[in-house]
Amino acid sequence: AQSVTQLDSHVSVSEGTPVLLRCNYSSSYSPSLFWYVQHPNKGLQLLLKYTSAATLVKGINGFEAEFKKSETSFHLTKPSAHMSDAAEYFCVVSPFQDTGRRALTFGSGTRLQVQP
Amino acid sequence: EAGVTQFPSHSVIEKGQTVTLRCDPISGHDNLYWYRRVMGKEIKFLLHFVKESKQDESGMPNNRFLAERTGGTYSTLKVQPAELEDSGVYFCASSQGAVVETQYFGPGTRLLVL
Repeated sequence: AQSVTQLDSHVSVSEGTPVLLRCNYSSSYSPSLFWYVQHPNKGLQLLLKYTSAATLVKGINGFEAEFKKSETSFHLTKPSAHMSDAAEYFCVVSPFQDTGRRALTFGSGTRLQVQP
Repeated sequence: EAGVTQFPSHSVIEKGQTVTLRCDPISGHDNLYWYRRVMGKEIKFLLHFVKESKQDESGMPNNRFLAERTGGTYSTLKVQPAELEDSGVYFCASSQGAVVETQYFGPGTRLLVL
């Protein structure tokens, strides 16, 4: 079985300061991991994905995430927050490489607030 | 290239009524998925089509939900009769089905059952 835990339901940062959104996963195999973002009244947009290649993954809009197997973590970071980053972020795991199933498992989401 | 589209964007119905949600996947994507997020909960998988066949429907909550994908193109999700706890956002996604795939999501349909 697999699961995803997003450690913070809300994160507030000031514009121009670093962003850290934390995610821990539980999996019995080498997972595929994703971060999706949902802006208000918009759909889910893929930020980045980890697929067992490089452990540091770069995504869109300056975001990146590092896969750390020893810590079972996949935290999302950005060096400098922008007002447009205010949204809800989801850490997601895919079971496909182990089970052949494609049903994604979502974390509970982290709402990022960016203060001017 | 057009993304995943969903219709309607919002629906407000009364308990006991029927609602049908529609999803048009990205052209050429054989895989189509339905997910939903009920209030205050996580986004949960409902089912997965490969072309017109149901590959995995383990997330369907009960027999009031019926999903179809005639001809392997667009899909519909019907809720009949709707209950209060069905309120939430219903997302559709599609993918090409590569080994390590990305699922592309639509904007969702916001369903409110009164």
